[in-house]
Amino acid sequence: AAGVIQSPRHLIKEKRETATLKCYPIPRHDTVYWYQQGPGQDPQFLISFYEKMQSDKGSIPDRFSAQQFSDYHSELNMSSLELGDSALYFCASSLVGYEQYFGPGTRLTVT
Amino acid sequence: GQQLNQSPQSMFIQEGEDVSMNCTSSSIFNTWLWYKQDPGEGPVLLIALYKAGELTSNGRLTAQFGITRKDSFLNISASIPSDVGIYFCAVTVDTSGTYKYIFGTGTRLKVLA
Repeated sequence: AAGVIQSPRHLIKEKRETATLKCYPIPRHDTVYWYQQGPGQDPQFLISFYEKMQSDKGSIPDRFSAQQFSDYHSELNMSSLELGDSALYFCASSLVGYEQYFGPGTRLTVT
Repeated sequence: GQQLNQSPQSMFIQEGEDVSMNCTSSSIFNTWLWYKQDPGEGPVLLIALYKAGELTSNGRLTAQFGITRKDSFLNISASIPSDVGIYFCAVTVDTSGTYKYIFGTGTRLKVLA
């Protein structure tokens, strides 16, 4: 069965650079979620989209933005990167109200 | 705010032993989910529970949705080395037609061969 696809899997950036993470949800899923997971932490919710509209916002810094496109893929844009942004970033998708399925994640390292 | 208390935080067990972990809350939820996460990978859905009292199995895994709708447990029978990982419980919260997910803090399982 098709799963959530994320790219890139690994990304190394320097401080103050920008990064764009991409997520391709499971076909026919109408909701996409972004999470950030630091070492030893549980996933922290950043933002979600339902039918291409932002549906909820969590602890997403103002330096980050995200959108969902007409083909349902989503991108997380991160600017003015800081060392503390180094983390695993997960995208998950679901049919609204049902269980989420996570992608394999993007490991972002900021040096 | 709403919080899930997951226990134990970590456990070391011998291969072949059974494992039990649980998740509790002071709030009522309509969905309980259990995920397993391997290091550096995305959480993988193990079991989804949608009905109070529901008991569901997936191979050696069994999970139950508490009758009060405030808790859930996950059992793993006859553990094997590849059961190592972090197990998260999660619940869904209806926020006016959209849903958000709340995760427990995880149970870190280590299996000694």
